[in-house]
Amino acid sequence: AQTVTQSQPEMSVQEAETVTLSCTYDTSESNYYLFWYKQPPSRQMILVIRQEAYKQQNATENRFSVNFQKAAKSFSLKISDSQLGDTAMYFCAFMGGNNDMRFGAGTRLTVKP
Amino acid sequence: EAGVAQSPRYKIIEKRQSVAFWCNPISGHATLYWYQQILGQGPKLLIQFQNNGVVDDSQLPKDRFSAERLKGVDSTLKIQPAKLEDSAVYLCASSPSGGYNSPLHFGNGTRLTVT
Repeated sequence: AQTVTQSQPEMSVQEAETVTLSCTYDTSESNYYLFWYKQPPSRQMILVIRQEAYKQQNATENRFSVNFQKAAKSFSLKISDSQLGDTAMYFCAFMGGNNDMRFGAGTRLTVKP
Repeated sequence: EAGVAQSPRYKIIEKRQSVAFWCNPISGHATLYWYQQILGQGPKLLIQFQNNGVVDDSQLPKDRFSAERLKGVDSTLKIQPAKLEDSAVYLCASSPSGGYNSPLHFGNGTRLTVT
């Protein structure tokens, strides 16, 4: 079974600075998708960014980018120019061939003014 | 487009009582998921539907939890009888096809408190 591990329960960053959230996963599949979701206090899960395993190029969405290391099974999220609105729980997620999405335990990010 | 709708937003019940949650996915989305999110943890998949058929319910505690998706649209999740450890947020999500290229769209969840 696939597992997703986020080893940083909490992180903080100063506004306008850069922060990197870590995620590792375990799978025997060769093709899959990886995601980062943001969950603010409203509980709404919001898709931040996604990466296809067969694509070598790292995905980028505005201030958000990933560092995907397939051999190391690592999928970190970098947030540049952090904003107060980035304060939230961030979940790394894996979707394999059976289409069910598995989540990590999450990292609570606080952006400080 | 309208998002995934869930109700109620909050529910407080006593242990051994029954409770039901409702979810209306985004129109046209074939795949529907129910997740349980205990405070401080990531969401855990309970059940996945493809249209009105069950794809995966391996983590659903079937002695007390049940779910149905009639006509392949709305879905209800029921707990009977509830236990204290069922206190959690129950998230419903949908996707167009459930395939690799189908990120999940989530509702706002129902927060259940069992006393």
